[in-house]
Amino acid sequence: DIVMTQTPLSLSVTPGQPASISCKSSQSLLHSDGKTYLYWYLQKPGQSPQLLIYEVSSRFSGVPDRFSGSGSGTDFTLKISRVEAEDVGVYYCMQGIHLRTFGQGTKVEIK
Amino acid sequence: QVQLQESGPGLVKPSQTLSLTCTVSGGSISSGGYYWSWIRQHPGKGLEWIGYIYYSGSTYYNPSLKSRVTISVDTSKNQFSLKLSSVTAADTAVYYCARDNWGLIDYWGQGTLVTVSS
Repeated sequence: DIVMTQTPLSLSVTPGQPASISCKSSQSLLHSDGKTYLYWYLQKPGQSPQLLIYEVSSRFSGVPDRFSGSGSGTDFTLKISRVEAEDVGVYYCMQGIHLRTFGQGTKVEIK
Repeated sequence: QVQLQESGPGLVKPSQTLSLTCTVSGGSISSGGYYWSWIRQHPGKGLEWIGYIYYSGSTYYNPSLKSRVTISVDTSKNQFSLKLSSVTAADTAVYYCARDNWGLIDYWGQGTLVTVSS
């Protein structure tokens, strides 16, 4: 089974400041088709999760450009360039190369 | 616009079978190209993938739940279903159905809370 490990588990950010979340997988997420199956989701309070980033670095439709994803192989990062109040929630990374596994989640709150 | 809606009992007794259905609208399950998933979230906890089904009926399950899980599809009703047997209090969770395209989960249901209690 692929294990996904996120750090930190919680983050308190001043509005307008950047934030960064790390996600490490226990196996490479690089597929033989050349794609890397790493995704980022945000679950806002009281809502279903929503897709932010797919295949490491591609922003999903409607996602603001302050969100960016990077990484390769087993190490990945989600960055928010300037955190806004609406970014509050729990962020999850997820692997899609072999079945599905989510990270533990990182709770982001506003200072 | 694709929409997914979970339905089923909100209360299940221990040792019984949890049964949920997800009704898909705005898109056809039988058109292919997507996996139809079940994901759960224990109260105050993170997301746990349960499994998914392709329109053809091929299924894939979380190894930790595989012995108790069955996911099926009814393309004539545009629905897919989850059965989880021998439930305990540890299966109390919000259950989500979702559309999955190689990990790109673009549509989620609103989630339904299932409580296991006598």
